[in-house]
Amino acid sequence: KAGVTQTPRYLIKTRGQQVTLSCSPISGHRSVSWYQQTPGQGLQFLFEYFSETQRNKGNFPGRFSGRQFSNSRSEMNVSTLELGDSALYLCASSLATGDFYGYTFGSGTRLTVV
Amino acid sequence: KNEVEQSPQNLTAQEGEFITINCSYSVGISALHWLQQHPGGGIVSLFMLSSGKKKHGRLIATINIQEKHSSLHITASHPRDSAVYICAVNPFSSGSARQLTFGSGTQLTVLP
Repeated sequence: KAGVTQTPRYLIKTRGQQVTLSCSPISGHRSVSWYQQTPGQGLQFLFEYFSETQRNKGNFPGRFSGRQFSNSRSEMNVSTLELGDSALYLCASSLATGDFYGYTFGSGTRLTVV
Repeated sequence: KNEVEQSPQNLTAQEGEFITINCSYSVGISALHWLQQHPGGGIVSLFMLSSGKKKHGRLIATINIQEKHSSLHITASHPRDSAVYICAVNPFSSGSARQLTFGSGTQLTVLP
């Protein structure tokens, strides 16, 4: 079966612009979580969506937002980009929110802000 | 202090060696995950543990809930095992079991 698909794979944006990243989960998976990975901070949780509702949010400024559609596909948006937003953005999907469900990760979108 | 600590940060081994990567955490958790990340970024979930031990091929993961410690073992290591191995936990304190807290990762290099 198809895995978690993230698009685009690579992106270069200018400081001050905004960006939208997409994540298509495995068919049947209803939970999508987003993570940011940087060399300095490592992997950090951004937010989780389940059935089109944001269930939890990490410690990131309001410039980071997301949404989930009825087909479980999710998007995250970063407005007013800063150089420090350069990172690998990963999403992971699972069947449901709650304990004991494994994750399947996408390959990530590498965002470079110049 | 980070809630999840991994050791070692870097590990170089010869092909065939037995490898152990350790993970200690300081919070109550509902589950612990071992993840593998290859160059290029994609992450593969290796194990999810809440107690005991799991084995998959040459990989073994154990967890001791009382001691708040987990280990990932690789038997008969191979160059294709070279990757970053990341420990992550679902803390009880998070609003959702999906909010993972990650260790900083262990870079493993297996030489032929």
